Amino acid sequence: SQQGEEDPQALSIQEGENATMNCSYKTSINNLQWYRQNSGRGLVHLILIRSNEREKHSGRLRVTLDTSKKSSSLLITASRAADTASYFCATDAGLLGGGADGLTFGKGTHLIIQP
Amino acid sequence: GAVVSQHPSRVICKSGTSVKIECRSLDFQATTMFWYRQFPKQSLMLMATSNEGSKATYEQGVEKDKFLINHASLTLSTLTVTSAHPEDSSFYICSARKTGARTDTQYFGPGTRLTVL
Repeated sequence: SQQGEEDPQALSIQEGENATMNCSYKTSINNLQWYRQNSGRGLVHLILIRSNEREKHSGRLRVTLDTSKKSSSLLITASRAADTASYFCATDAGLLGGGADGLTFGKGTHLIIQP
Repeated sequence: GAVVSQHPSRVICKSGTSVKIECRSLDFQATTMFWYRQFPKQSLMLMATSNEGSKATYEQGVEKDKFLINHASLTLSTLTVTSAHPEDSSFYICSARKTGARTDTQYFGPGTRLTVL
């Protein structure tokens, strides 16, 4: 099955700066989702972008999707210490990708916001 | 809202024993639930798709006889790790899809941390 790739794998920035994470995938998708996970905890759904959308905003989050390049980016503006977490992209390919009906997660980016 | 719970949240067991993990959709019906596994510092990997009233669909490399899935009702799916070994120690997370909802709507449980001694 396809496996998304995020980069960077780890990112450390100062509080107040913007953080950008990228995700690439391999097959056609129905949608792409971004999740946050604090250490040892469950997933928090951040935002979903469908294959016919190019950009989406939610509060301090901005997600872009380029289906021609099979890539997405997550931008967190004006970062806060509480944003420290691991961020995963997940693709929903369903029957389009010939794969599983569940989500395929990327490897994740570990974001550290330094106060 | 759409809340999914898991029980237990944390379990420690001896090697060779079996452990059952429950995944419940609290305020909605879920024909389909998914089970994921996450090893430390790694990503989530889909293990199986659980469909109410039918057999689960397992991903390649996941042993169906070791990871027994039962989805007997529209609000409950269980994952039983049989004859657990230390290498089965992991974080197990379920998600549920609302019956009748758009296929992109999944709700995740808080996860169950399994430690096999």
